[in-house]
Order: sequence, then C-alpha cells, then structure tokens
Amino acid sequence: NAGVTQTPKFQVLKTGQSMTLQCAQDMNHEYMSWYRQDPGMGLRLIHYSVGAGITDQGEVPNGYNVSRSTTEDFPLRLLSAAPSQTSVYFCASSLARIPRSTDTQYFGPGTRLTVL
Amino acid sequence: GESVGLHLPTLSVQEGDNSIINCAYSNSASDYFIWYKQESGKGPQFIIDIRSNMDKRQGQRVTVLLNKTVKHLSLQIAATQPGDSAVYFCAETMEYGNKLVFGAGTILRVKS
Repeated sequence: NAGVTQTPKFQVLKTGQSMTLQCAQDMNHEYMSWYRQDPGMGLRLIHYSVGAGITDQGEVPNGYNVSRSTTEDFPLRLLSAAPSQTSVYFCASSLARIPRSTDTQYFGPGTRLTVL
Repeated sequence: GESVGLHLPTLSVQEGDNSIINCAYSNSASDYFIWYKQESGKGPQFIIDIRSNMDKRQGQRVTVLLNKTVKHLSLQIAATQPGDSAVYFCAETMEYGNKLVFGAGTILRVKS
C-alpha cells in the first residue's frame, strides 16, 4: 500500500511549455483532488474528481486540465505554463469529499514546479 | 518545503514544553474544523478534527479548542518533541458542505 504517489518531485518549465503532473493512489478512494500551495497562503483547490469519469473545477482551475479515466489515477495537465503557476502542487485522495477522520484522507508528497 | 513557510508566523518552544497554535476562521457558518501538520518536504497530514457542537476534543498529546463566539481555534500539543516541528494549519468547512478552506499556517520550531 503506497498511499498517494506523485511524479515528478521537481520540475522546471519555460513559459509556454506544457506538462502533466502524475498522481496515483492505491486505496480505492473515489474522491481525488489537486491543490496548489503558495508561500504564505493556504492550500487552494484546482480541480477535483468524485469518481472515474467525473471531474469538476475548484477554486483556481484556469490554466489546468484534469481527467479521471481510472479510480487510481488523476493527472493534472498544464496547457501552457506561466510564471504564475510556479508553486508546490499536492494531490490528495479521500473516502469522501470532506474527510472525517485521520485515516480517510491522504496527501501526496508534492511536486515543486518552477516556471521561468 | 522551506518556501511554503515564507511570511508565516513562527512559534518557537523548548522541547518538553506545551505548544499552543492559534487559528482564526472566517465563516461563522462553518461547523467542522480540521488541524493539519505539514513536515518539511511532505504533504499535509490530518491530525485532529472537531465539530461545532463541541468546544474541546482530545487526541494523543493534542487537544483542539473551539470558540465559536470569536471564530477561533487552537491546537495544544503537550510535551512538545523535536518531531513536532512542522507547519500546522487549520481548515474549515460545513460538515455537509463541499469545500475545505485552508488557513496559511504557523511554523512550530522545537528547540532541543
């Protein structure tokens, strides 16, 4: 049981490049989400999914796409990277949209992205 | 990582002392609150929660207090250890709602 895995751990992009951040979980959680974490700010929700084939926008979705073809995987795509997307990105999975206890929500280790 | 901690308040405590970390929440309609711990280079970890029908909840070495009158939460850590060094932040939501709102957090540094 690996929990939530994210790749890559670090990435540097040039403005305008595209890339995909990978996220996978092996706990059979229906709910998965992507957050960004910027210095001095709380986590902000980018996109989320309540199950395979279902995705929706969060608080800051512009510039990002997601898909959920399987329960396990939830990749985040940056279409045309901008310096404003420099951030640390976290993927999370949980049994429910709002976690209820310590063993129902897990975050990945994060991807640190820099856009030049 | 370190960049997340920029501009955050810092609490420095001596190993063995008790720590109190505070959080002011924004929505008076919020009725469910979670405290998270985030160690350097890792993702957040859910450590304890509290519902608005309670004003205190205890876990292992941690206690959360809720004051709805002034929209304030606190996390108390007893006998703080070096392994408690991390960023701690609270999140609020309505229990049957669909969105968690996260605070920016407080850095806890434990001096040995």
